[in-house]
Amino acid sequence: EAGVTQSPTHLIKTRGQQATLRCSPISGHTSVYWYQQALGLGLQFLLWYDEGEERNRGNFPPRFSGRQFPNYSSELNVNALELEDSALYLCASSLGQGRGEQFFGPGTRLTVL
Amino acid sequence: GENVEQHPSTLSVQEGDSAVIKCTYSDSASNYFPWYKQELGKRPQLIIDIRSNVGEKKDQRIAVTLNKTAKHFSLHITETQPEDSAVYFCAAPLYNNNDMRFGAGTRLTVKP
Repeated sequence: EAGVTQSPTHLIKTRGQQATLRCSPISGHTSVYWYQQALGLGLQFLLWYDEGEERNRGNFPPRFSGRQFPNYSSELNVNALELEDSALYLCASSLGQGRGEQFFGPGTRLTVL
Repeated sequence: GENVEQHPSTLSVQEGDSAVIKCTYSDSASNYFPWYKQELGKRPQLIIDIRSNVGEKKDQRIAVTLNKTAKHFSLHITETQPEDSAVYFCAAPLYNNNDMRFGAGTRLTVKP
């Protein structure tokens, strides 16, 4: 069974540009989560999607947005990029239904110059 | 995380010693508590979890204990090895098990 996949692996943008990151969950998982991890530190919760709907978002500005497609894959969009957006963006998926276990993808390393 | 506190932030032990990492949470209705290990340059991976109907769970050298009254849970690693060196994250539900929040992480270094 394939795990969570993310693309691209690395992304380099300049300040003010927009970035789009993609995530494909494990087959059968309906929930997708996005986290920001700066400088190898903590996992800051960004967004949670389930069954195509945004269920919750963390303390991030509105320029961080996303969506979930009918096949449960997800996109994270970051508009008006700032230098401090440089980080590893991790996607995770879970079965939902209250089970709790999240399985992480390898991440996308975003660098803003 | 906004409802999960994790201590210590860094921990250095000698090979063979034990390591203990502690987390506290705020929502008394929480009932699922996982621990993740993130090795350098890799993704976080679930290593052990516990549900609130038990107070302790063991898997070889790692164990997790849960104290629901005090709202804290701990990861215990015995007979540590250099390959245990990593960042460890605890997590707890914010509103339900579908919505988890992570602790700030503990960087464990096991010195040979």
